[in-house]
Amino acid sequence: QVQLQESGPGLVKPSETLSLTCTVSGGSISTYYWSWIRQPAGKGLEWIGLIYISGNTSYNPSLKSRITMSLDTSKNQFSLKLSSVTAADTAVYYCARGGGNTRFIYWGQGTLVTVSS
Amino acid sequence: QSALTQPASVSGSPGQSITISCTGTSSDVGGYNYVSWYQQHPGKAPKLMIYEVSYRPSGVSNRFSGSKSGNTASLTISGLQAEDEADYYCSSYTGSNTLLFGGGTKLTVL
Repeated sequence: QVQLQESGPGLVKPSETLSLTCTVSGGSISTYYWSWIRQPAGKGLEWIGLIYISGNTSYNPSLKSRITMSLDTSKNQFSLKLSSVTAADTAVYYCARGGGNTRFIYWGQGTLVTVSS
Repeated sequence: QSALTQPASVSGSPGQSITISCTGTSSDVGGYNYVSWYQQHPGKAPKLMIYEVSYRPSGVSNRFSGSKSGNTASLTISGLQAEDEADYYCSSYTGSNTLLFGGGTKLTVL
């Protein structure tokens, strides 16, 4: 059974960079698309971006200028960096397998990131 | 990119059927057969209920079905049960490996 687990700081200061890592177990990261999705409290889901083994990425146009995604096959992990954060970036961040024209079957449990000084 | 349009809330009594709509454009819902539906209970990660418009993953009840007409996709839940009370989100491929979610619909089982 594939499992995903997000990790990273729960508190980030405004204007700084949010960094999260997703560790995948029960399957190789070397296939499929891998995505980040976020959800502000009481609001809907927002797809952030995806990465593929080739290193190819695709990002939400509204966040593209601030996003960097990468993957580490040796650790079976992929990561998200979101720069110049503001309070509007406060949300639960999920990692998931899928994206693009593929479905999200496996999700992490989500991690709350708060942007505050 | 604006979120796909879903009703904010729907409700139904146990045993009844309800339908949740998801309206987009010809650049997303209408242009591709890659619409998915997710169920989310409070404090939990979303769960895939329907993919590629009308396919059910293994383990999902056949009370859940999906369809699409033009730029609008729909999720129908028949024989409503208390456990179906949750938030539901649609998503659609939008080309170039990008994806868009709907704003979400809160289903209340009366």
